[in-house]
Amino acid sequence: GESVGLHLPTLSVQEGDNSIINCAYSNSASDYFIWYKQESGKGPQFIIDIRSNMDKRQGQRVTVLLNKTVKHLSLQIAATQPGDSAVYFCADLTNAGGTSYGKLTFGQGTILTVHP
Amino acid sequence: DVKVTQSSRYLVKRTGEKVFLECVQDMDHENMFWYRQDPGLGLRLIYFSYDVKMKEKGDIPEGYSVSREKKERFSLILESASTNQTSMYLCASRSYSGNTIYFGEGSWLTVV
Repeated sequence: GESVGLHLPTLSVQEGDNSIINCAYSNSASDYFIWYKQESGKGPQFIIDIRSNMDKRQGQRVTVLLNKTVKHLSLQIAATQPGDSAVYFCADLTNAGGTSYGKLTFGQGTILTVHP
Repeated sequence: DVKVTQSSRYLVKRTGEKVFLECVQDMDHENMFWYRQDPGLGLRLIYFSYDVKMKEKGDIPEGYSVSREKKERFSLILESASTNQTSMYLCASRSYSGNTIYFGEGSWLTVV
């Protein structure tokens, strides 16, 4: 079935290092991919998204890469800080528009821990 | 800034009680959603609404109902709470023209 999964459930890095969080998806028809950050006790917070017709998109300290050939998505965080410690979810959105909310499929999440 | 507000952050209810979870968004979004989040299961869609008084079942609607009387407000109702409904509930919203779903802070429900 359709799924969005993560290669690693946990990732530990040192402050200042770059972090890479990976995600595999199976639905070739996905229109958008979205990365969320969820801190303990809080709801998911939007980080960045990318259209399926793009390969790369950059935000502030974050870059998302999309490889449609191998159905792989990654989130790169530059100069990781302790405040980046959280669970990161990828999600893919299919067939959204108008009255159709589309199908939003979430991965299980990766726990990022940043050590000072 | 985008704002989705869930009025109750922490609730403890007894089995069989009727439970209301309220959600308000101030972005004039047409679409609103209720998810539940459980360890190892990720986020699962319960119900969504694409406009006032409109609702559609998500992946796990059993045991739940919803109400959307006003555009900014979407309520989740547990008619008779059960212990397996102990979870974190997340409300979210999105505009017709947008793709990103914005979440509230979550409501932690414990059914005893």
